Amino acid sequence: EDQVTQSPEALRLQEGESSSLNCSYTVSGLRGLFWYRQDPGKGPEFLFTLYSAGEEKEKERLKATLTKKESFLHITAPKPEDSATYLCAPSLSGNQFYFGTGTSLTVIP
Amino acid sequence: NAGVMQNPRHLVRRRGQEARLRCSPMKGHSHVYWYRQLPEEGLKFMVYLQKENIIDESGMPKERFSAEFPKEGPSILRIQQVVRGDSAAYFCASSPPGANSPLHFGNGTRLTVT
Repeated sequence: EDQVTQSPEALRLQEGESSSLNCSYTVSGLRGLFWYRQDPGKGPEFLFTLYSAGEEKEKERLKATLTKKESFLHITAPKPEDSATYLCAPSLSGNQFYFGTGTSLTVIP
Repeated sequence: NAGVMQNPRHLVRRRGQEARLRCSPMKGHSHVYWYRQLPEEGLKFMVYLQKENIIDESGMPKERFSAEFPKEGPSILRIQQVVRGDSAAYFCASSPPGANSPLHFGNGTRLTVT
């Protein structure tokens, strides 16, 4: 059965304290791994797509990496405006996207 | 460039009424997806449509729920005879043609059934 697990469920960081979020998946036929950011009351906002193991993408303080079984979202020197829920979504054949339940990140000034 | 537009943003219905949720995809996008999100839960896939075709409705409840994406006009998610358990945020996403394109989401419709 296809599964997506994100950890931790919630993370509190001091401003400037770097950390990583994990997305583990057991899916067959992975075509890509997508990361999104969701703010309260808003729809998810696209961040990255990773297609193959070893691939990395960066955007400002965020860097996403991919292995065969998991993806990491590294946050370097976060700021309060990085507070949000981060969602990962493996994509399968047939344009199916499976979303994890997310990691709720709070960055304290 | 207008993003994915959903309306209404908030919808209140009494039990037994019908709810109609609308979604206009981004310009140039021909694929539309509907997801449901409950508090503390992830986004649950409901249905994937292209113009005038339902491609995958495996996440859609068998009764009371239907979706369409006509040749002209927005995609509609219709819920008949709503019950309290239908209360949730419903998100629409669109993508351009081509496999593995990222989804672009609207800001959702929050349905409350009283």
